[in-house]
Amino acid sequence: SQQGEEDPQALSIQEGENATMNCSYKTSINNLQWYRQNSGRGLVHLILIRSNEREKHSGRLRVTLDTSKKSSSLLITASRAADTASYFCATEGDSNYQLIWGAGTKLIIKP
Amino acid sequence: NAGVMQNPRHLVRRRGQEARLRCSPMKGHSHVYWYRQLPEEGLKFMVYLQKENIIDESGMPKERFSAEFPKEGPSILRIQQVVRGDSAAYFCASSRRQKEKLFFGSGTQLSVL
Repeated sequence: SQQGEEDPQALSIQEGENATMNCSYKTSINNLQWYRQNSGRGLVHLILIRSNEREKHSGRLRVTLDTSKKSSSLLITASRAADTASYFCATEGDSNYQLIWGAGTKLIIKP
Repeated sequence: NAGVMQNPRHLVRRRGQEARLRCSPMKGHSHVYWYRQLPEEGLKFMVYLQKENIIDESGMPKERFSAEFPKEGPSILRIQQVVRGDSAAYFCASSRRQKEKLFFGSGTQLSVL
């Protein structure tokens, strides 16, 4: 079952602006991961944040995690046209063998 | 180090035929996951395998679908007697250990006519 929910479903911004996407989940987790999917391609792992972490950075990416609100956000700073893609969050719980995926946010960066 | 390789990239089948989708995990990875994705939707877990073992097939329909990951060779997802509703993108992912980050293949787009 899908437990992650990303919002917004779609986001269109100008190149150079910052893009923020959110993910909410329902059950307790060990970690939360963000992936990117370019159209027609497989997913690429971006960043993993553990349940005892609050914030993590990787290049232009900044991820936050609020376990009390069961939510995470992905911030992409200084967006580029190449950032156009769908972004998915996935959560891993204690006993799951599988990651639980949200439906994704479709991000369009306008040149 | 080659990534996760899936083939074919596109597969067209008529209703009632069989579809065989292949996935070669990354070198050194013994954990394989199969996912299905419909347009504009997220991934739906189907099955998780380790070498020669099915660990979790809770996302896979009981009928017509089967998966294997033999000691030698790629993992195979097999769909018998395909129906139009099986049309989707099927992605394979692998990891070195359980619950590590996943590396995805480029997927097989199955179209059932």
